[in-house]
Amino acid sequence: KAGVTQTPRYLIKTRGQQVTLSCSPISGHRSVSWYQQTPGQGLQFLFEYFSETQRNKGNFPGRFSGRQFSNSRSEMNVSTLELGDSALYLCASRVATGELFFGEGSRLTVL
Amino acid sequence: QKEVEQNSGPLSVPEGAIASLNCTYSDRGSQSFFWYRQYSGKSPELIMSIYSNGDKEDGRFTAQLNKASQYVSLLIRDSQPSDSATYLCAVPDYGGATNKLIFGTGTLLAVQP
Repeated sequence: KAGVTQTPRYLIKTRGQQVTLSCSPISGHRSVSWYQQTPGQGLQFLFEYFSETQRNKGNFPGRFSGRQFSNSRSEMNVSTLELGDSALYLCASRVATGELFFGEGSRLTVL
Repeated sequence: QKEVEQNSGPLSVPEGAIASLNCTYSDRGSQSFFWYRQYSGKSPELIMSIYSNGDKEDGRFTAQLNKASQYVSLLIRDSQPSDSATYLCAVPDYGGATNKLIFGTGTLLAVQP
């Protein structure tokens, strides 16, 4: 069974640009969660999607958005990038008992 | 905001010793607890889940839960250099139609050969 797949793995952007990250959850899973990880703040919840609906959103500005498609694949977008957006962005499948299974992450560097 | 607290470490133990990692949480109603391991430059990997008071063993790993004290720990027996990583404690935050995991900041474990 394939795990969570995230693309791209690494990317470099400059301030003011926008970025789109993609995630495919574990086959058959309909829940996708996104987290941001930085050395200073640790793992912070961004949002969760289930069956194309955003069910919960973390405390992030409106520049951070996401969506989920009918095949459960999800994308997140960050517009008007700031230096502080440099982070590891993690996508995860959540199972009924609450565990999250993470992808390898997309490491974003904003210059 | 519910909180999960861990000592950031580093916790240094010699190879073959028992490593003890601790976590406290603020929500007395929490029912599930998870331990993740994260190697440098990698994503978190689930290693243990525990739902009831007491001990749960899986190979060299033992999770211990004490709900009255709001305390969960992870013991690693016969520690190996390959266990050197950051260990993250996580607790669900149930709210609205879904839940999310609240993560501690992690404890860095260094196993010395």
